[in-house]
Amino acid sequence: QKEVEQDPGPLSVPEGAIVSLNCTYSNSAFQYFMWYRQYSRKGPELLMYTYSSGNKEDGRFTAQVDKSSKYISLFIRDSQPSDSATYLCAMNTDKLIFGTGTRLQVFP
Amino acid sequence: DTEVTQTPKHLVMGMTNKKSLKCEQHMGHRAMYWYKQKAKKPPELMFVYSYEKLSINESVPSRFSPECPNSSLLNLHLHALQPEDSALYLCASSQENTPGYEQYFGPGTRLTVT
Repeated sequence: QKEVEQDPGPLSVPEGAIVSLNCTYSNSAFQYFMWYRQYSRKGPELLMYTYSSGNKEDGRFTAQVDKSSKYISLFIRDSQPSDSATYLCAMNTDKLIFGTGTRLQVFP
Repeated sequence: DTEVTQTPKHLVMGMTNKKSLKCEQHMGHRAMYWYKQKAKKPPELMFVYSYEKLSINESVPSRFSPECPNSSLLNLHLHALQPEDSALYLCASSQENTPGYEQYFGPGTRLTVT
């Protein structure tokens, strides 16, 4: 079993939709959770960073962590074509452990 | 400012060439990282420098040689690479190499080995 599981997609949604991206993990020692957005042929860009369980909101993005279920989510409200990218979840122990990434396409 | 810069953006090299990738950050971060990313895969950690000292080498072949000349600069020296080494090479930095500090990535160098 991989330490971090993420649905690879692709996920295709119309503009304006609410998008839910999810990761599950197996290591209960993870306490720091990140979401990165990566456009094609570019480096990952840190979107959200959360510590332990709870929600964090930043504009159209909400990150949610449920440590009891070992489940994290990223919600994107009012999705835009510019949100089309690969979204990587990541968790931190002595090094960053990435999910495989979910490809999101938002069509006009 | 959370910028990590990398040069060159693209690099094509033959299997007998020697080349170097460069990374720079001016955020005062004391940890710097090299990652390798193949198409449709997540980044894979190669090396970690903490306070200018190599702290993690993820069993990377010796044809990749990292160097940290000072706290702002990180190099990756390449020699006798194989075509399977073609990938996007990413540099990242964080305030410290401990959990709880975010890592910021550069735009990457796209390497093609012919």
